[in-house]
Amino acid sequence: DGGITQSPKYLFRKEGQNVTLSCEQNLNHDAMYWYRQDPGQGLRLIYYSQIVNDFQKGDIAEGYSVSREKKESFPLTVTSAQKNPTAFYLCASRERGTDTQYFGPGTRLTVL
Amino acid sequence: GQQLNQSPQSMFIQEGEDVSMNCTSSSIFNTWLWYKQEPGEGPVLLIALYKAGELTSNGRLTAQFGITRKDSFLNISASIPSDVGIYFCAGVDGGSGYALNFGKGTSLLVTP
Repeated sequence: DGGITQSPKYLFRKEGQNVTLSCEQNLNHDAMYWYRQDPGQGLRLIYYSQIVNDFQKGDIAEGYSVSREKKESFPLTVTSAQKNPTAFYLCASRERGTDTQYFGPGTRLTVL
Repeated sequence: GQQLNQSPQSMFIQEGEDVSMNCTSSSIFNTWLWYKQEPGEGPVLLIALYKAGELTSNGRLTAQFGITRKDSFLNISASIPSDVGIYFCAGVDGGSGYALNFGKGTSLLVTP
């Protein structure tokens, strides 16, 4: 089945540690996005990539990093510089020429 | 990006009732999207609107793209318990890689 997968579903991390969240899609979409969701809030854009080997900062990129070495994959690293990393992280992808984004199931990150 | 104004924040209704929610923006969007999110899951696309004044239906759901291009409305007719969830509006920002600007969501509870 075509879709977007995110792993793991739940992730726990100690303060001061970096952690990488996985996002894979087999929809052959060119563009991929990372959003952060906090309780009672809408989604906020962290990073996006419209093509392999290119990515742009979103509204809340500080403390995060990404890579886009393959079309199918867009991993997000939450670094120790992110002051409040506990949140629900959502990955999305978009087919070129369209406006609609499709989301993965999300990863809930908790910093202990 | 900007956060859109979505209302109401929450709704508690009886099965069979109709529901209306809306979303406003200070900026013009060329595309409006409506998503539904269930607890612990990623948002699922319900309806996409591409043209000012457009009225689009998906089963019991009907959404409209406001004529000013700064607002959108979603109606759910004859609600059922499985309509429970959080409904988000999103405007597409073509200038930022087609990233989505979200409202804070409308939480819908339906009692049998």
